[in-house]
Amino acid sequence: NFLLTQPHSVSESPGKTVTISCTRSSGSIASNYVQWYQQRPGSSPTIVIYEDNQRPSGVPDRFSGSIDSSSNSASLTISGLRTEDEADYHCQSFDTSNYRRVFGGGTKLTVL
Amino acid sequence: DVQLVESGGGLVQPGRSLRLSCAASGFTFDNYAMHWVRQVPGKGLEWVSGISWNSGSIGYADSVQGRFSISRDNAKNFLYLQLNNLRVEDMALYYCAKGSHDYGGHFDYWGQGTPVTVSS
Repeated sequence: NFLLTQPHSVSESPGKTVTISCTRSSGSIASNYVQWYQQRPGSSPTIVIYEDNQRPSGVPDRFSGSIDSSSNSASLTISGLRTEDEADYHCQSFDTSNYRRVFGGGTKLTVL
Repeated sequence: DVQLVESGGGLVQPGRSLRLSCAASGFTFDNYAMHWVRQVPGKGLEWVSGISWNSGSIGYADSVQGRFSISRDNAKNFLYLQLNNLRVEDMALYYCAKGSHDYGGHFDYWGQGTPVTVSS
């Protein structure tokens, strides 16, 4: 089993770029795909990045994902921040040895 | 359009049982894995359990292993979660989520959730 650790909160101004990290506690971050979900207040989560860096149709290209083996972490980068991006962002990966999924603790993004 | 509608949540005493249901529509249900994810208000998401398209692979979080049981009825397009020996810490909003593939994949659609309250 492993853990995914995210910062509790981040904030940035409209128009700027923000990066949210997701660090895996053990095992390689590259060994299983990482997903990112956006959850606006009062709503269910929606996928914004899957398979490390793939964007579903309908998600703006301002959203991008990457992994860094040197820090054993994944990152979600949002450029050209808009107030509508204000939400909680959750990373998620797999523990394929036992058909389990793992979520990070979530990061609250404030755009102010 | 894909729709996932959860039901069965409610108020239950510690130690009692509950069965959650998820009615799926708008896609070929038996082609995809399905999952339950829960969230305590104001907290993060916690994956609870998942089941592959044919029920051949099933997984549980350590926190619910031995107490919860996931199942699916591909003929009726329903996903279920049997919650036994409920604890106060099981209190949360329970989401049904569709997998993007038959076995693995990410969660590409989510329901609105059904709340479970555990209290004496």
